[in-house]
Amino acid sequence: GIQVEQSPPDLILQEGANSTLRCNFSDSVNNLQWFHQNPWGQLINLFYIPSGTKQNGRLSATTVATERYSLLYISSSQTTDSGVYFCAVPNSGNTPLVFGKGTRLSVIA
Amino acid sequence: DGGITQSPKYLFRKEGQNVTLSCEQNLNHDAMYWYRQDPGQGLRLIYYSQIVNDFQKGDIAEGYSVSREKKESFPLTVTSAQKNPTAFYLCASSGGQAGTGELFFGEGSRLTVL
Repeated sequence: GIQVEQSPPDLILQEGANSTLRCNFSDSVNNLQWFHQNPWGQLINLFYIPSGTKQNGRLSATTVATERYSLLYISSSQTTDSGVYFCAVPNSGNTPLVFGKGTRLSVIA
Repeated sequence: DGGITQSPKYLFRKEGQNVTLSCEQNLNHDAMYWYRQDPGQGLRLIYYSQIVNDFQKGDIAEGYSVSREKKESFPLTVTSAQKNPTAFYLCASSGGQAGTGELFFGEGSRLTVL
């Protein structure tokens, strides 16, 4: 099946700093999503981005499908950005999403 | 409000007992899913359903069972055959065929087996 690798596994930032999270996948995909899991376990949709670039406030994401990676940018980080960020892609065709192991982000005031 | 409702949020059970977790969605989504998350880990697929009365095993289906009698509902039963049932269980749904539409999650159910 498809392999999904996220880096870095852990990241500690000072409030106000910027960061880039990376998601590599081993096969071509027609769907890619980024999620934020807050400290209470809730998974929040950030981006549905099979290709191209999207922005939502301080967050933006870029997927380069031909090179099999996606990047999540967080600018001017806040303590509320803390949690785990997951990317997910389908295993193949019309199959459920496979999740990476996540990047655990801690933003310190 | 449209969304996915999971219940209960917390559940404690004795070893050897079956447990059923509820998942209801009012998003009119065709596909529904159950994922399991262990502490510090990613999500692993247990079962999914693309249509009423049909469901498929995921990567870790052993010890679990599901039903899909209504479009809105996809309950998960954790049976006594599941060797390590203590985990965080997440239900999700998406429009269209599995893996194609945007995936949305419920708030999860934390199961602790004593």
